[in-house]
Amino acid sequence: DVKVTQSSRYLVKRTGEKVFLECVQDMDHENMFWYRQDPGLGLRLIYFSYDVKMKEKGDIPEGYSVSREKKERFSLILESASTNQTSMYLCASSLVLADLLSGNTGELFFGEGSRLTVL
Amino acid sequence: AQSVAQPEDQVNVAEGNPLTVKCTYSVSGNPYLFWYVQYPNRGLQFLLKYITGDNLVKGSYGFEAEFNKSQTSFHLKKPSALVSDSALYFCAVRGQVLDDKIIFGKGTRLHILP
Repeated sequence: DVKVTQSSRYLVKRTGEKVFLECVQDMDHENMFWYRQDPGLGLRLIYFSYDVKMKEKGDIPEGYSVSREKKERFSLILESASTNQTSMYLCASSLVLADLLSGNTGELFFGEGSRLTVL
Repeated sequence: AQSVAQPEDQVNVAEGNPLTVKCTYSVSGNPYLFWYVQYPNRGLQFLLKYITGDNLVKGSYGFEAEFNKSQTSFHLKKPSALVSDSALYFCAVRGQVLDDKIIFGKGTRLHILP
């Protein structure tokens, strides 16, 4: 089974602190994603990466950065945490979309989430 | 542009009754469609997907979903609800172009009443 591991399930940080959220996947997936989840807003894509050292902005990248130095690891960085970044953060990975015959439709495999509270 | 709508924020169903969670989508070309479930303080778990072929797709935990191309819908169903089905359900869609991203609906909270 695919396993996506997020290093911290619960974090409490203070405004202005630098925050690192780590995500590791063990299935050699090319694609990795960071989402935040807020009540009533669903999942919003922050950043994603299709390969090592590559990153692309999602829908809400402001206030965040990412790092992908190794294929299996994708880190989300809050340079200076603010209270409006209190949220549930979800990491996901997927294979590159291939043809229908392979059955791979690029579905996402999620970690357990990291609930961040910024005071 | 791709989009997904889950018109109900919450659905209440009595245990043992059939359940339906609604989803409509908009995408260019043929879609890949997904349902995910999220239990409290957990990540999302994959339930089922539609690729092509049969309009009725069977997935985990007795769930199934019906693809309707003319109505651009992909409703999640289960013949007999369990209290343990209570969770947050997300519908998602992506196109079949290589760089299409998966788009999620806002989620529907399902309450199964004992």
